[in-house]
Amino acid sequence: QSVLTQPPSVSGAPGQRVTISCTGSSSNIGAGYDVHWYQQLPGTAPKLLIYGNSNRPSGVPDRFSGSKSGTSASLAITGLQAEDEADYYCQSYDSSRVVFGGGTKLTVL
Amino acid sequence: EVQLVESGGGLVQPGGSLRLSCAASGFTFSSYEMNWVRQAPGKGLEWVSYISSSGSTIYYADSVKGRFTISRDNAKNSLYLQMNSLRAEDTAVYYCARKAQGGFETAWDYWGQGTLVTVSS
Repeated sequence: QSVLTQPPSVSGAPGQRVTISCTGSSSNIGAGYDVHWYQQLPGTAPKLLIYGNSNRPSGVPDRFSGSKSGTSASLAITGLQAEDEADYYCQSYDSSRVVFGGGTKLTVL
Repeated sequence: EVQLVESGGGLVQPGGSLRLSCAASGFTFSSYEMNWVRQAPGKGLEWVSYISSSGSTIYYADSVKGRFTISRDNAKNSLYLQMNSLRAEDTAVYYCARKAQGGFETAWDYWGQGTLVTVSS
């Protein structure tokens, strides 16, 4: 059972918008800790996608955006593309220890 | 170009030991905090251990405390994970990851390709 809760799967058709939620509590996201998002393409290592709740590293398309409110955070992907099919993980801190969400598998229909 | 390359994985019997290495290049290794994280087959990410840039501060996940030891050699640009008393549940791909500079909560901006550890008789 992960400290941060993500939906196991989401799906969308090409061109659509999807969101992935990351729900925490008052000891992690709600305590003010930043949330980061990682994308893991099949058979590869995770890659940083969003840092500091809503910032994109250089090279990440602006189709990807992040937000945080209260004890939750969200990752939004607009203009869905086949290459976005991957697992997505949120990360934050809880009592000074790093915690991950259980991951969400995005399927592009 | 930042590169992190893990090595040392393999098949080991329960109760055995293994030492993982992570060779860093393309950045000033001694200036960065580092982490080990693992991913069991078909499962999510699990943080394993953290080490500060100087090596003076170390943390472990409860699941590996007392069995795993993280270390680094800044002169050799290398990170290590000594794993003892291995159990079947330690079977996973192990990644080293660099923690971005700039504070306590920074993201992990670069990851290695991972090395597979299989604990089985």
